[in-house]
Amino acid sequence: EVQLVESGGGLVQPGGSLRLSCAASGFTFSSTNYWMHWVRQAPGKGLVWVSRINSDGSRTDYADSVKGRFTISRDNAKNTLYLQMNSLRAEDTAVYYCTRDFDAGSGFWGQGTLITVSS
Amino acid sequence: QSALTQPPSASGSPGQSVTISCTGTSSDVGGYKYVSWYQQHPGKAPKVMIYEVSQRPSGVPDRFSGSKSGNTASLTVSGLQAEDEADYYCSSYAGNNNYVFGTGTKVTVL
Repeated sequence: EVQLVESGGGLVQPGGSLRLSCAASGFTFSSTNYWMHWVRQAPGKGLVWVSRINSDGSRTDYADSVKGRFTISRDNAKNTLYLQMNSLRAEDTAVYYCTRDFDAGSGFWGQGTLITVSS
Repeated sequence: QSALTQPPSASGSPGQSVTISCTGTSSDVGGYKYVSWYQQHPGKAPKVMIYEVSQRPSGVPDRFSGSKSGNTASLTVSGLQAEDEADYYCSSYAGNNNYVFGTGTKVTVL
């Protein structure tokens, strides 16, 4: 059974940092078939794509809103995806979902972790 | 990148059909075959229902169908059932290694 379990969420002050993790199981995490993505959803709002990384970590892309502040990475030996978030702003407050190929037939989403940026 | 435009709400009685539109531009919906649709129940993670405009993942009922014409994609849910009541989002590849989602539509089963 495919599972994606996010962790690392919580309350952080504006300007602070946080690292999210996503533990993957039930599939070959390092397979070249899958890109991994982060998608976020502010409370009561819609979905927003944040970032993606290819299977070996050699290729990363970011939404303009997080470019230069967030870094996506992965450890295939640990079957884990990460999102390092720096210089956090109030508008980064959201549930962050870890997803495998979110827009594909093989797409799968974790249950999400809530980040609240507030003083 | 602006969000794709969806109607805020749609509704239908059990057994009826409902169609949701997703309007973008030639730089996203109109320019690529990578349009997907997601179902999200309250407090739950989204689930992909349609990918590549009209393809259904394994396990998704054939009551769900997708299409595209120009810059507008559509999701049709036929034979509405109570469990179809949820929020629905579209998404599209938007070029330049970027993706955009729709504004979301709340579907109510009357």
